[in-house]
Amino acid sequence: DTEVTQTPKHLVMGMTNKKSLKCEQHMGHRAMYWYKQKAKKPPELMFVYSYEKLSINESVPSRFSPECPNSSLLNLHLHALQPEDSALYLCASSQVPWRGEAKNIQYFGAGTRLSVL
Amino acid sequence: SQQGEEDPQALSIQEGENATMNCSYKTSINNLQWYRQNSGRGLVHLILIRSNEREKHSGRLRVTLDTSKKSSSLLITASRAADTASYFCATVGTSGSRLTFGEGTQLTVNP
Repeated sequence: DTEVTQTPKHLVMGMTNKKSLKCEQHMGHRAMYWYKQKAKKPPELMFVYSYEKLSINESVPSRFSPECPNSSLLNLHLHALQPEDSALYLCASSQVPWRGEAKNIQYFGAGTRLSVL
Repeated sequence: SQQGEEDPQALSIQEGENATMNCSYKTSINNLQWYRQNSGRGLVHLILIRSNEREKHSGRLRVTLDTSKKSSSLLITASRAADTASYFCATVGTSGSRLTFGEGTQLTVNP
């Protein structure tokens, strides 16, 4: 099973709402990632979890709050978002954390299309 | 910040033709990977080439790497309409740094 499952597929929220994005993998991967992708642009890294601990935060605004409850699950809690936060949010996982080794292949979910009104 | 540049930004070809996409990067790498993304979907890993390799094949894909020029190319032979997608190169640095994506090439294969 090489699947990363993200829910929901689509989300529309107002600027005062609180919502959560969920990501799940059962490949035994110990590194998990959140990316933000705008149309016609490459994914931008937001957060990295390594062995369930936050290892990288790319200076993401605090209105985005990640959580890794266990090695299979990754959440992204959203609060007081802005319209410019509308994007495709991608979750990914990999076999090892970044160490300059060859096995840094990442497996991506299908994403959550977020619209902030 | 994005390390890589890809060209062309967009490529339109007929089914059966070959498609070549190029990627350049700026810093030393451990490996370089190519990913495909269908419209509005997640990325799918295609192929990985290590810094000490010069060429790699996988099915209809051929990847080359020239570390002296800090560039790579992806060749898709005998293209199909189903190959229509965005293609991104991504590098992993020698210091164990992040997976850094290029700007991507939008490939359209016309039936």
